[in-house]
Amino acid sequence: EDQVTQSPEALRLQEGESSSLNCSYTVSGLRGLFWYRQDPGKGPEFLFTLYSAGEEKEKERLKATLTKKESFLHITAPKPEDSATYLCAVQAHFNNAGNMLTFGGGTRLMVKP
Amino acid sequence: EPEVTQTPSHQVTQMGQEVILRCVPISNHLYFYWYRQILGQKVEFLVSFYNNEISEKSEIFDDQFSVERPDGSNFTLKIRSTKLEDSAMYFCASRGTPTTGELFFGEGSRLTVL
Repeated sequence: EDQVTQSPEALRLQEGESSSLNCSYTVSGLRGLFWYRQDPGKGPEFLFTLYSAGEEKEKERLKATLTKKESFLHITAPKPEDSATYLCAVQAHFNNAGNMLTFGGGTRLMVKP
Repeated sequence: EPEVTQTPSHQVTQMGQEVILRCVPISNHLYFYWYRQILGQKVEFLVSFYNNEISEKSEIFDDQFSVERPDGSNFTLKIRSTKLEDSAMYFCASRGTPTTGELFFGEGSRLTVL
């Protein structure tokens, strides 16, 4: 069974204080690892997809990296508007006819001015 | 920017009633999904849909649930006889290709079953 574990569950940062969020996964062959941002009461907003170990993607203050067991979302000099829940999800290659995503529990990030 | 739209944004219903949640996927997308998120819990897969048929469904998607693409634009989720435990946010999602690329989610429909 595919599993995704995110840590920490919650993270408080001061504005400008860089940090990283972790996503550990076990999957029957990784087809893709997805990062989403979710604001309260809203749908997940797509950030990145990573497909193979060693791959990195960046968007503004966010950088996602991928190894064979985990992914990191690095946040550089965060601002209060980066406060949200960040979700990680995996898409398995095998036994996944519907190409579903399996989500982790998320990391709730709070950035204080 | 193209987006997935969902209606209603919030629906309150009595236990045992039928509910239909509607979605308009991104226009050139062919693969459609429903996920749900119970308050404070993980986002969970319900069903995937392609070429007018279900590709895969989870254990949650029992006989009370059904999906339909009644026309060229809408994608619906029907719950025939709602239960208290069906209270959740329901998200529709779509993508252009099944194995690569982004999966875009709508803003969700909040279902409250009393």
